[in-house]
Amino acid sequence: QSALTQPASVSGSPGQSITISCTGTSSDVGAYKYVSWYQQHPGKVPQLLIYEVSNRPSGVSIRFSGSKSGDTASLTISGVQAEDEADYYCSSYTSSSTWIFGEGTKLTVL
Amino acid sequence: QVQLVQSGAEVKRPGASVKISCKASGYTFINSSFHWVRQAPGQRLEWMGWSNSVNGDTYYSEDFQGRLTITRDASATTAYMELSSLRSEDMAVYYCARGAYGAFEYWGQGTLVTVSP
Repeated sequence: QSALTQPASVSGSPGQSITISCTGTSSDVGAYKYVSWYQQHPGKVPQLLIYEVSNRPSGVSIRFSGSKSGDTASLTISGVQAEDEADYYCSSYTSSSTWIFGEGTKLTVL
Repeated sequence: QVQLVQSGAEVKRPGASVKISCKASGYTFINSSFHWVRQAPGQRLEWMGWSNSVNGDTYYSEDFQGRLTITRDASATTAYMELSSLRSEDMAVYYCARGAYGAFEYWGQGTLVTVSP
């Protein structure tokens, strides 16, 4: 099963905004509102950042926001901070009643 | 608070099976879906399968069809994942996660499975 397409890496200076894209197909990202984003620091358990395209769970910073257009979802981090340096993964429900993850994006804070 | 506590690390021979448990607490178990996700060293997250609380069905990634079995014991508030015919490529950290709003809301601490001759 293939993965959703994400850039391998992105970078930004503290205070800048960065956006990570997540491209799927009309059978997953484009078809459902069940797109979510996860942050994973090295050696740690992934943590949910965004669910249903743009909703933040309680406790997640408002600096994290999500959106979707067609088959591509996006995660934006406003005012990047050093603590945001981590791997980020998107995920989507699919027409096969399964889920699929993205390839993962490594965020480097310069 | 919601907690998912997984069983400990496993070392298995190629061809063997591994069964990992995920003990849930802090919420109503029967109303929740469970997912299993794995991550090989230095690799991306890989979704494996899930147990749907609504209809009781299980769904598996085609990458694991025939080798993966997901079960749950409501009386023990525990979910299980069994992977058979292990090979070296199955060496990974395996996570259980509670499903909600189409996302993986809470995660277990992970279980390392080592496959070695």
